[in-house]
Amino acid sequence: DGGITQSPKYLFRKEGQNVTLSCEQNLNHDAMYWYRQDPGQGLRLIYYSQIVNDFQKGDIAEGYSVSREKKESFPLTVTSAQKNPTAFYLCASSLFSTGITEAFFGQGTRLTVV
Amino acid sequence: GQQVMQIPQYQHVQEGEDFTTYCNSSTTLSNIQWYKQRPGGHPVFLIQLVKSGEVKKQKRLTFQFGEAKKNSSLHITATQTTDVGTYFCAGRAINTDKLIFGTGTRLQVFP
Repeated sequence: DGGITQSPKYLFRKEGQNVTLSCEQNLNHDAMYWYRQDPGQGLRLIYYSQIVNDFQKGDIAEGYSVSREKKESFPLTVTSAQKNPTAFYLCASSLFSTGITEAFFGQGTRLTVV
Repeated sequence: GQQVMQIPQYQHVQEGEDFTTYCNSSTTLSNIQWYKQRPGGHPVFLIQLVKSGEVKKQKRLTFQFGEAKKNSSLHITATQTTDVGTYFCAGRAINTDKLIFGTGTRLQVFP
């Protein structure tokens, strides 16, 4: 099956610890994105990547880091510098980063920091 | 930076009533997309509009892209309980690769 997979679905961490969220796609998509969703709010762009070994900051990149060493993988690290890390994190991919291409989303990771 | 706002934030309707959500961008968009997120789920693509003034229909859903390519709307005729969820518009400003989502409109349908 082709798709985009996020793991784990639920994640608990202690305050002050870094945590890495996994995102893998086998759709052969060039572009990948990370969004954060807080209860009752929209999706805010954290980072996005158009090609391997390249990525750009979104609107709320502070306290997060990413890598894009492989086309199919775009992991997100939530660092201890992120002041309010508890949220629902969504990874998405699209065939291209411009033009007429829809974004496909993973199931999301719900991160709780205690 | 680019901002995309949607109104209303919430809408409660009786089954059978119509529903409309409006999307407004601070910058001109190259295209607009609409997504639906069911409670507890992830956003799922519904449609994309590209041309100024474009109108597209999907059964009971009608999507419109404004003439200035800065606003869009989604209208649902005769809502059903299966329409429950949050509807997001998303767009790319011209000359940027960012896909920015709107704030969303949460629709609740009462039987």
